Amino acid sequence: EAAVTQSPRNKVAVTGGKVTLSCNQTNNHNNMYWYRQDTGHGLRLIHYSYGAGSTEKGDIPDGYKASRPSQENFSLILELATPSQTSVYFCASGDSAETLYFGSGTRLTVL
Amino acid sequence: GDSVTQTEGLVTLTEGLPVMLNCTYQTIYSNPFLFWYVQHLNESPRLLLKSFTDNKRTEHQGFHATLHKSSSSFHLQKSSAQLSDSALYYCAPASSGSWQLIFGSGTQLTVMP
Repeated sequence: EAAVTQSPRNKVAVTGGKVTLSCNQTNNHNNMYWYRQDTGHGLRLIHYSYGAGSTEKGDIPDGYKASRPSQENFSLILELATPSQTSVYFCASGDSAETLYFGSGTRLTVL
Repeated sequence: GDSVTQTEGLVTLTEGLPVMLNCTYQTIYSNPFLFWYVQHLNESPRLLLKSFTDNKRTEHQGFHATLHKSSSSFHLQKSSAQLSDSALYYCAPASSGSWQLIFGSGTQLTVMP
């Protein structure tokens, strides 16, 4: 079974603060993704990566940066967090047939 | 850009009745791949079934779907709903070129006894 681990599971941040969400996968998948999930909007793609050193913008990249320093790790960075970024964030890795394996999610609250 | 339209919002069924969740998609790619993901309460989404072949029925865990490229549809069906089918269901198209899955807003299925 594919393994994608996210940390932290829960995070409370202050407006204007910096937040880093981490994701680690042990599947040796090239592709990794960050989604946010909000009621009424479903899963929306923020950033994705095709491999170490690459990051690409998804559908809603504004206010987010991503970093892929290695095959295993993919981080999502909120440089200046805002309350509108309160959400549940999912990381996923994908195999060659692009089945996505999701992590357990990070619940972020920005006060 | 690519988009997907699913059965709106919340679907409530009585156990034993058939399930049909609609999914239509719009994509610039002539050969899209289609996926259904399921997310149970307090869990992460996981793949339910996927299809790459036009007019071929795909089945998994009692659910089935057939990709119809002529109508851009990939409806999810099950003959008899179970309580454990209560979950959020996402339809998602993707292209083999970019592998960016575009998820719809999801359909919440609640099965009542």
